[in-house]
Amino acid sequence: DAKTTQPPSMDCAEGRAANLPCNHSTISGNEYVYWYRQIHSQGPQYIIHGLKNNETNEMASLIITEDRKSSTLILPHATLRDTAVYYCIVRVASTNAGKSTFGDGTTLTVKP
Amino acid sequence: NAGVTQTPKFRILKIGQSMTLQCTQDMNHNYMYWYRQDPGMGLKLIYYSVGAGITDKGEVPNGYNVSRSTTEDFPLRLELAAPSQTSVYFCAIGGYSNQPQHFGDGTRLSIL
Repeated sequence: DAKTTQPPSMDCAEGRAANLPCNHSTISGNEYVYWYRQIHSQGPQYIIHGLKNNETNEMASLIITEDRKSSTLILPHATLRDTAVYYCIVRVASTNAGKSTFGDGTTLTVKP
Repeated sequence: NAGVTQTPKFRILKIGQSMTLQCTQDMNHNYMYWYRQDPGMGLKLIYYSVGAGITDKGEVPNGYNVSRSTTEDFPLRLELAAPSQTSVYFCAIGGYSNQPQHFGDGTRLSIL
């Protein structure tokens, strides 16, 4: 699976959009981009995933660049409860196993 | 948490003791995983299973054993506990094809 690079930390004002970047310059054509978050020391929570098109759900939007070498997770109206560590993961959609490699993620702090 | 139940939630062991961490799911997923997370770090894969009777090693399998006799259960065993195994252990399900994984709430294990 391709390696990802994320900034170690970011701040965001409450009510503003939080834009979390992820670089995956070695991504291959059959690898998906996944985002998870981990609040305090709870289990990681799935947010969103995509292959090449932009995706949106009730939690967030995922913007993937045309060359697929980077992506951005957007939380449109950040709240204090969005303070968490956010992980960007790239993996092949495989019928063998869905193993995921977690890096150190980005610690997002939402401030009042 | 997404149909994944981990027990116990907390445990303190003495060096050399053994124990089994339990993971049970009610989602009928074939794929199950065990990860560990050390303080301030990302998750590392210990073992995974793609179905009853089938298990395989992940990134950090030494010191652990697993079995998968049913679809629902995927226990993780520590035979001779060592201080280096102090960590938070997460069980996950899912990940077939491009589907995301879903995590339990974790077991916090301290070995003294």
